[in-house]
Amino acid sequence: ELKVEQNPLFLSMQEGKNYTIYCNYSTTSDRLYWYRQDPGKSLESLFVLLSNGAVKQEGRLMASLDTKARLSTLHITAAVHDLSATYFCAVDEDRGYGGATNKLIFGTGTLLAVQP
Amino acid sequence: DVKVTQSSRYLVKRTGEKVFLECVQDMDHENMFWYRQDPGLGLRLIYFSYDVKMKEKGDIPEGYSVSREKKERFSLILESASTNQTSMYLCASSRPWLNTEAFFGQGTRLTVV
Repeated sequence: ELKVEQNPLFLSMQEGKNYTIYCNYSTTSDRLYWYRQDPGKSLESLFVLLSNGAVKQEGRLMASLDTKARLSTLHITAAVHDLSATYFCAVDEDRGYGGATNKLIFGTGTLLAVQP
Repeated sequence: DVKVTQSSRYLVKRTGEKVFLECVQDMDHENMFWYRQDPGLGLRLIYFSYDVKMKEKGDIPEGYSVSREKKERFSLILESASTNQTSMYLCASSRPWLNTEAFFGQGTRLTVV
């Protein structure tokens, strides 16, 4: 059974600082997604990582995937207040059927608070 | 633009009532999902469906059932609502072989009193 763990669960950081959120998962998969959720809102897709070594960047956020270590990271560079939100990683549970019936399992989320 | 629409933003129901949460997507996606979101627990998968009339249990299916009679619509049913089912419910859809992300509805906040 696929388990997805994120850490930290809560991150308070100052503007201008760098930090990394970690996402570990327990079984084989090469598809990982990062989402952002603002308070009271639904989830918005940030990154889709589809292979070992994949790296995606958008603004101050960069995501990477190491399928051998079953680890993805979301790196925040020079944080600004607008990045305050909850960040989720999610993993397709690869059950060998070519993706058609993969469950999509989420981590617990990381609440990021960027202080001025 | 992909659109996933949930029928209600807020619902208040009484204990023991049968509750229907509806979700409709307009992009012909094969996969649809129901999650519940609780503080500190993230999103937990209740059920998902990969085709019409096809469904699989997620991690927390107890007390819930689902129906998918048409490709665009996926319903979550609480057979007899209980207070511990008070939560935010999120529906999502995806097209798996396009290797794109799942798209989410706006969520339904259900309160069972």
